[in-house]
Amino acid sequence: GAVVSQHPSRVICKSGTSVKIECRSLDFQATTMFWYRQFPKQSLMLMATSNEGSKATYEQGVEKDKFLINHASLTLSTLTVTSAHPEDSSFYICSARRTSGGGNEQFFGPGTRLTVL
Amino acid sequence: KNQVEQSPQSLIILEGKNCTLQCNYTVSPFSNLRWYKQDTGRGPVSLTIMTFSENTKSNGRYTATLDADTKQSSLHITASQLSDSASYICVVTDSWGKLQFGAGTQVVVTP
Repeated sequence: GAVVSQHPSRVICKSGTSVKIECRSLDFQATTMFWYRQFPKQSLMLMATSNEGSKATYEQGVEKDKFLINHASLTLSTLTVTSAHPEDSSFYICSARRTSGGGNEQFFGPGTRLTVL
Repeated sequence: KNQVEQSPQSLIILEGKNCTLQCNYTVSPFSNLRWYKQDTGRGPVSLTIMTFSENTKSNGRYTATLDADTKQSSLHITASQLSDSASYICVVTDSWGKLQFGAGTQVVVTP
C-alpha cells in the first residue's frame, strides 16, 4: 500500500506555456500533499504544502501565482507551472501523507522531469 | 545553514564491498530520522525509520544507526550490489512534522 503516482513522468514545453502535473495517492486518502523541486545533485526543496479543500501554503521565495496548486480531492493534487521559463526546468516530486493511521510519514511519487525550451 | 549534513558527498565502491554513510543533524525537537534511497530520475523510497529511542534498524543489507545524544546517524550497506548505485538521503522530521532533507550521498557501485 501507500503508492503515489505522478503524471506525466516527463514533459517538454516551450517557454511561456503552462504545464500541469498531477499527483495521486492510489490506495489511501491524503488530506495533505507536498510539492518539492529538485535540481541536479541537490536535495529536495519543499515548495508548498497542499491541503484538501483549502489554499496551499507556500514556502518563502516560491511564487504562488506562478506555481498554482489545487487539491480538489483526498487523492489528487495538481501543480501548474504557469508561463514556464527555462529556469523552471527541474525535477518536481510530490508526496502524500495519510489522512489517518500513517503518522507523519510522507510517501513520495516517482517525480516529473520538466524541461522548458 | 542546513540542519542535516551528510558525508561523504559521493563515494565509489567495488561490488561486494561494504560502506558507511554519515548523517549529522541539528533538528530540534526531534521526531524521527529516515534514510531514503533515490534512484536517478525517481522519487525517494524509504529504507529505514528510527525514533528517539531506537539505536539501530535493519532492512535487508541496509543497517541504520542512531545516536540521539550526539545527533548522528549512519547507514551501512553490506555486500554492495550494482543496484545499490543511487543517492541516499537522510531526512529528519521535527515534532511538528516538518521534514529537513540532507543533500544526499551519491553512491556508485562498480563491477
